[in-house]
Amino acid sequence: EVQLVESGGGLVQPGGSLRLSCAASGFTFSSYVMNWVRQAPGKGLEWISYIDLTSSTIYFADSVKGRFTISRDNAKNSLYLQMNSLRDEDTAVYYCARDHGKTTPYWYFDLWGRGTLVTVSS
Amino acid sequence: ENVLTQSPGTLSLSPGERATLSCRASQSVSSTYLAWYQHKPGQAPRLLIYGISSRATGIPDRFSGSGSGTDFTLTISRLEPEDFAVYYCQQYGSPPLTFGGGTKVEIK
Repeated sequence: EVQLVESGGGLVQPGGSLRLSCAASGFTFSSYVMNWVRQAPGKGLEWISYIDLTSSTIYFADSVKGRFTISRDNAKNSLYLQMNSLRDEDTAVYYCARDHGKTTPYWYFDLWGRGTLVTVSS
Repeated sequence: ENVLTQSPGTLSLSPGERATLSCRASQSVSSTYLAWYQHKPGQAPRLLIYGISSRATGIPDRFSGSGSGTDFTLTISRLEPEDFAVYYCQQYGSPPLTFGGGTKVEIK
C-alpha cells in the first residue's frame, strides 16, 4: 500500500525539542521531493519545509526558519523534522506530504500522511 | 504572501445536492497554479484538483475546478455521503505556497 506514516509527536515544554519521522512505503521514496505541512488547532494548513531528492536544496517557511531542520534517509525510506526552540504557536498536527513532482517540485502534494500531533505547553 | 480566502466557512447541504466552494486570492495566481484538497478528521488530506481544473488520479468526475486570476471555484455536482469533509485550496504560483482556511461541507 502506498502510504506515509508520521510518528514522534507528543507534549513538549516551550524551548524544548522534538524529532518527527515519516516512514514511506509502497513507492520509490528516493524519487520524490518531500515536504512538511502543519495545521494548528482550528486553523488552516501551513507549509513549513521542503527537501529535494539528495538533500541539497532545502526551504523553510519564515515561521520556523532557524529553529527547524529537515532531513531524509533514502536508504530507510524516511523523512525527518528536527524541531528546536519550540514555541506555543508550534502546537499543531504535522503532516509529511509527497510532492507530485519527482526530480523537480510541482509544489502540490499527491500523498499525505495522517499526521502526528505536537503540543507545546508548560 | 498570497492570502487565500475561502467561502463560505461552512456549507450545509443534503446528499445529491450541488456544492459550490469559493477561493479568492489576494493577488493573481500565477499561471494555473491552484489546487484543491479534501480532508476528513483523522485522515490524510487528499489531492482532488491541480492546475485549477485537472482531476488527480482516481478522483470522480463529480468534482470539478474552475476559475482564473484571483477567483476560483470547486464544484461537487452531486454530493455523495463520503464527500462531507473540509476542503482547502492552495496556490503554488508564488512562494511561499499558501492554503486557504477551508470550507466545511456538512450534512444538512
